[in-house]
Amino acid sequence: GESVGLHLPTLSVQEGDNSIINCAYSNSASDYFIWYKQESGKGPQFIIDIRSNMDKRQGQRVTVLLNKTVKHLSLQIAATQPGDSAVYFCAENMWNTDKLIFGTGTRLQVFP
Amino acid sequence: EAGVAQSPRYKIIEKRQSVAFWCNPISGHATLYWYQQILGQGPKLLIQFQNNGVVDDSQLPKDRFSAERLKGVDSTLKIQPAKLEDSAVYLCASSSFVGSGNTIYFGEGSWLTVV
Repeated sequence: GESVGLHLPTLSVQEGDNSIINCAYSNSASDYFIWYKQESGKGPQFIIDIRSNMDKRQGQRVTVLLNKTVKHLSLQIAATQPGDSAVYFCAENMWNTDKLIFGTGTRLQVFP
Repeated sequence: EAGVAQSPRYKIIEKRQSVAFWCNPISGHATLYWYQQILGQGPKLLIQFQNNGVVDDSQLPKDRFSAERLKGVDSTLKIQPAKLEDSAVYLCASSSFVGSGNTIYFGEGSWLTVV
């Protein structure tokens, strides 16, 4: 992913609303995708993953959607809470490798 | 289950000095990674080990960075001499197998500031 330096895209949502974070991936040969959450001062934390043979996968309060036609991935967070405030990264995994390529992060800010 | 352990958490050094970071992966995980994360960017892979062998070090600046995993468990990443642009978080990660679909788990990171 391209670097945006200190100016991460930011999504601001009100507590209780749903959040949608988007990601465009680069390689059509990628067949596995992961969303990571990174809180300030911590390492990336696994949230949810999806394989390329699926369009949608749901977890607890989170849903990942995959559109392979336009190489687009989204993370939906239901009933966003203050604890969801963090930077979210998507990562793609090329077929037959275990190398993760991280996209540009999105900062999620939740306000009361 | 214990996560990926890293130390030290924070380090400040002067340019041209050396620094070493240590990582202990999740028990049983054969694959170990070192990533560099510059502020505001996503992590970038530096080196990947499978047991004690190097799988990929194409992004490692070998003139100043070195890493080893001698017994196939713990790993050390060294920078010598450090430059100002090495200021970053160094993330260690591990996974249980090789191949796509393999979830990679990260440690809390070692924060390096070079002054």
